[in-house]
Amino acid sequence: KNQVEQSPQSLIILEGKNCTLQCNYTVSPFSNLRWYKQDTGRGPVSLTIMTFSENTKSNGRYTATLDADTKQSSLHITASQLSDSASYICVVSPLEYGNKLVFGAGTILRVKS
Amino acid sequence: KAGVTQTPRYLIKTRGQQVTLSCSPISGHRSVSWYQQTPGQGLQFLFEYFSETQRNKGNFPGRFSGRQFSNSRSEMNVSTLELGDSALYLCASSHLATGELFFGEGSRLTVL
Repeated sequence: KNQVEQSPQSLIILEGKNCTLQCNYTVSPFSNLRWYKQDTGRGPVSLTIMTFSENTKSNGRYTATLDADTKQSSLHITASQLSDSASYICVVSPLEYGNKLVFGAGTILRVKS
Repeated sequence: KAGVTQTPRYLIKTRGQQVTLSCSPISGHRSVSWYQQTPGQGLQFLFEYFSETQRNKGNFPGRFSGRQFSNSRSEMNVSTLELGDSALYLCASSHLATGELFFGEGSRLTVL
């Protein structure tokens, strides 16, 4: 069964600190792996999209890595800001199902001042 | 460039009623997909439309239906509402070339 598991479930860090969110998946083969940021009450916003052949992708202070051998991805946030407080969702697109994406439950990040 | 627009943003219904939600995609995007988001289940795929045809469907009962019009705007309908249908319903559009999803702000449905 195609699954995406994220850890930790929630995380609290101090402003200015770095953090890393984890995503383990069983989806195989897959087309791409995506990270989204979702503010409370808003729609998700794309941070990065990586194909199976890429192993890193950056978007400002956000850097995603992908290890297709171990089926793991991570999202690293550098120099966190209060506005980084949100839910971060890992999403995997199976190769054969088009837009029938498999979603992780998300990691809720809270950045404190 | 305008983003994905969903209406209404909030609505309250009672059990047994039906509801129709609307989604206007980004100009030029012909693929529209719908998702249900609840605290317990997270984001779950409902269905996807491309050029007025349903291309994929998630594991939801037949009470959930949708359609897409020739201008790519899409609607989803939920009939015979149940308490468990209370959720944030998200619509996303994508360009065929990139596949990147752009989400709307969602329609928050509360069923009493």
